[in-house]
Amino acid sequence: KAGVTQTPRYLIKTRGQQVTLSCSPISGHRSVSWYQQTPGQGLQFLFEYFSETQRNKGNFPGRFSGRQFSNSRSEMNVSTLELGDSALYLCASSLETGVADTQYFGPGTRLTVL
Amino acid sequence: AQSVAQPEDQVNVAEGNPLTVKCTYSVSGNPYLFWYVQYPNRGLQFLLKYITGDNLVKGSYGFEAEFNKSQTSFHLKKPSALVSDSALYFCAVSGANNDMRFGAGTRLTVKP
Repeated sequence: KAGVTQTPRYLIKTRGQQVTLSCSPISGHRSVSWYQQTPGQGLQFLFEYFSETQRNKGNFPGRFSGRQFSNSRSEMNVSTLELGDSALYLCASSLETGVADTQYFGPGTRLTVL
Repeated sequence: AQSVAQPEDQVNVAEGNPLTVKCTYSVSGNPYLFWYVQYPNRGLQFLLKYITGDNLVKGSYGFEAEFNKSQTSFHLKKPSALVSDSALYFCAVSGANNDMRFGAGTRLTVKP
């Protein structure tokens, strides 16, 4: 089975621009979560989508948004980019809803904001 | 609120020696605990998880973890370290809403 894929792998943007990242979950997985990883803040939960609905959201500003399509693929959007948005953005998918589902991570998208 | 702590930023061991990467947790309710490993420029790879049952959980690549309720710990262990085990290790706890909270990570270096 193919793993979680994320595109693009690397992005360079300038402040004020917006960006869209894409994530394709493992086939059959219905839940997709997004995380931001930075050296200073570590791994932080952004949001989770299930059946095209955002179920959970972390403590990030409204500039960070996402959506999920009927085939479970997900996109994440960051508007009005700031220098501090430079990070590795990780997507993870899991098979079922509920607690203690194992999340499987993609390789990440490295976003650099200049 | 659910949280985990990894008290060591860095762990160094010699190849062939046993290794331990420490994790303590704070949860309300049942703890659902995970270990992941991250290699440079890669995503996180799942190693093992504890939901319930035996306190010793066996995972991938020869790793195991010991759940200790009285000490609220979930330490990752391996009997004999390999140089290829050198990586960043994360402990995590799964919240009631399926949001995963990660520790700060521990960098393991295994020297030949």
